[in-house]
Amino acid sequence: GQNIDQPTEMTATEGAIVQINCTYQTSGFNGLFWYQQHAGEAPTFLSYNVLDGLEEKGRFSSFLSRSKGYSYLLLKELQMKDSASYLCAVRARPSGGYQKVTFGTGTKLQVIP
Amino acid sequence: GAVVSQHPSRVICKSGTSVKIECRSLDFQATTMFWYRQFPKQSLMLMATSNEGSKATYEQGVEKDKFLINHASLTLSTLTVTSAHPEDSSFYICSAWDRGAYGYTFGSGTRLTVV
Repeated sequence: GQNIDQPTEMTATEGAIVQINCTYQTSGFNGLFWYQQHAGEAPTFLSYNVLDGLEEKGRFSSFLSRSKGYSYLLLKELQMKDSASYLCAVRARPSGGYQKVTFGTGTKLQVIP
Repeated sequence: GAVVSQHPSRVICKSGTSVKIECRSLDFQATTMFWYRQFPKQSLMLMATSNEGSKATYEQGVEKDKFLINHASLTLSTLTVTSAHPEDSSFYICSAWDRGAYGYTFGSGTRLTVV
């Protein structure tokens, strides 16, 4: 199976930078995704990493280290609307199995003035 | 990006009845769709992978006879919760691969309440 760990909750100040970490253990790794989910709504896609390194997209950046089983999502210039849950998801195809995406428990981020 | 339309958004049903949830890919063909369930304050749990033209693949612990999945066309997958019970009350959501965004696109979700 897959183990995906991320902090349960984080609090950060408006205008600041916050880093949300995700560690995972899996076989047949085939990509890591970050999603944002506001309460009661569907997740929205933020980023995708399959190779090591940093992917930047506006105020959001995502980093991956496959050898360490580690990723982080970096949010810059925080805005109040960034208060949401951030889900780390790992896609994998274990040997003899089929490809699927498994989600972490999510990190609830609260942005305060 | 690609759009996945999911209906209904909310449904309340009586215990023992069945409920059908539809997911349609509006501007692309989805040979595979994924069905998730999310309980309050928890993450998304994969229930099954829906494959067009073949049987769905269910995750361990998910009852095939209770959660019927049909993927009869490249644009439509349905999940039917049969003989619903209050413990089936949850947020059900589907997703499909968006080749353009290189990410998975989700439907808007269905809030099921069984009374």
